Amino acid sequence: AQTVTQSQPEMSVQEAETVTLSCTYDTSENNYYLFWYKQPPSRQMILVIRQEAYKQQNATENRFSVNFQKAAKSFSLKISDSQLGDTAMYFCAFMRRSGGGADGLTFGKGTHLIIQP
Amino acid sequence: DSGVTQTPKHLITATGQRVTLRCSPRSGDLSVYWYQQSLDQGLQFLIHYYNGEERAKGNILERFSAQQFPDLHSELNLSSLELGDSALYFCASSVGRQSYEQYFGPGTRLTVT
Repeated sequence: AQTVTQSQPEMSVQEAETVTLSCTYDTSENNYYLFWYKQPPSRQMILVIRQEAYKQQNATENRFSVNFQKAAKSFSLKISDSQLGDTAMYFCAFMRRSGGGADGLTFGKGTHLIIQP
Repeated sequence: DSGVTQTPKHLITATGQRVTLRCSPRSGDLSVYWYQQSLDQGLQFLIHYYNGEERAKGNILERFSAQQFPDLHSELNLSSLELGDSALYFCASSVGRQSYEQYFGPGTRLTVT
């Protein structure tokens, strides 16, 4: 079984600052996917970024980027030039590739990110 | 808007009752996943259906069941409800058997009193 750990229950930064959210995971799988999902106050789950474990290059989506360290089983999310709309719960999630996507996502407990004006 | 729809948005019911939650996946998506989000357990995978067939079970209670119909919509049935079943229930859809991006619906908020 896989576990995902987010050690920061809450973080607060000023608008326009850069913030990094931490995530570690434990698995015996070699091929898998990692995700960051955002859940704003509306409760909608929104996919922010995805990383394939077999790719060494870190994924980037506009202001969002990840630092994927496979040996350390670490997958952090960096948000640059943070905006008020980034205020949300952020969930790190894992899915093993060998199951063909059957097993669903394993989520961490989440980090509540607050962007202060 | 993810394109995934869920009804109803809110549901309030009493202990011991049975409810049905409905999910319509994005157009063209064959896979539907169900998740439960509660304060105690966080976000948990419950069950996955692909093109009408059950593919995987997660932490789904025996009191809960699901199915996916020929038009690909899915229903999650919760019976003998307990206070602890109060939660936000999400469905998510993806294109196929080996698609790794899931798109979530807005969720159904279930309150058991």
